Amino acid sequence: NAGVTQTPKFQVLKTGQSMTLQCAQDMNHNSMYWYRQDPGMGLRLIYYSASEGTTDKGEVPNGYNVSRLNKREFSLRLESAAPSQTSVYFCASSGGTDQPQHFGDGTRLSIL
Amino acid sequence: QKEVEQNSGPLSVPEGAIASLNCTYSDRGSQSFFWYRQYSGKSPELIMSIYSNGDKEDGRFTAQLNKASQYVSLLIRDSQPSDSATYLCATWDNTNAGKSTFGDGTTLTVKP
Repeated sequence: NAGVTQTPKFQVLKTGQSMTLQCAQDMNHNSMYWYRQDPGMGLRLIYYSASEGTTDKGEVPNGYNVSRLNKREFSLRLESAAPSQTSVYFCASSGGTDQPQHFGDGTRLSIL
Repeated sequence: QKEVEQNSGPLSVPEGAIASLNCTYSDRGSQSFFWYRQYSGKSPELIMSIYSNGDKEDGRFTAQLNKASQYVSLLIRDSQPSDSATYLCATWDNTNAGKSTFGDGTTLTVKP
């Protein structure tokens, strides 16, 4: 019962470094999501993929890129990390509109 | 105005009391609503889904939906200290297929 798996769980980067966060789901879900959550704040949608082959911007896409590699995998890339991107990143998946989302355990990312 | 608004917290109730969490939404076309619980340092987990007007009960939890008033609530009966968490209300963006919308959350503390 893996559900949504995110790697890595923790990462420390220096300003300007690049990194890709990985996400995979084994529930045969069509839709996948990347959120960030800053301390004491709500979830903010970065990018989403409503179905394999499509990606769309969410509320806070600047500084990020995504790839929907196949139905199972959805990666998030930081090309040039900035301290403002220090956050907890959650990946989620859903069977589609009107279905709930299932979340991974998160990646705690610190950028120095 | 955010698409999903939750009553600002924090909310504190004594053990055994009823906790009432409220959420309003702006998109009259929204059809499905979800309550997630998020413990500190953890990822959100689904606790209730509701699609029709009225009440839906699951154990100590009751979700209430009033589409005419664009209002959804979560009642927790016989609150326990283990219910202390942040509760997130969510729906889907009716005009952008596959795009999710979350409220900022209400933090509940249940005092023994």
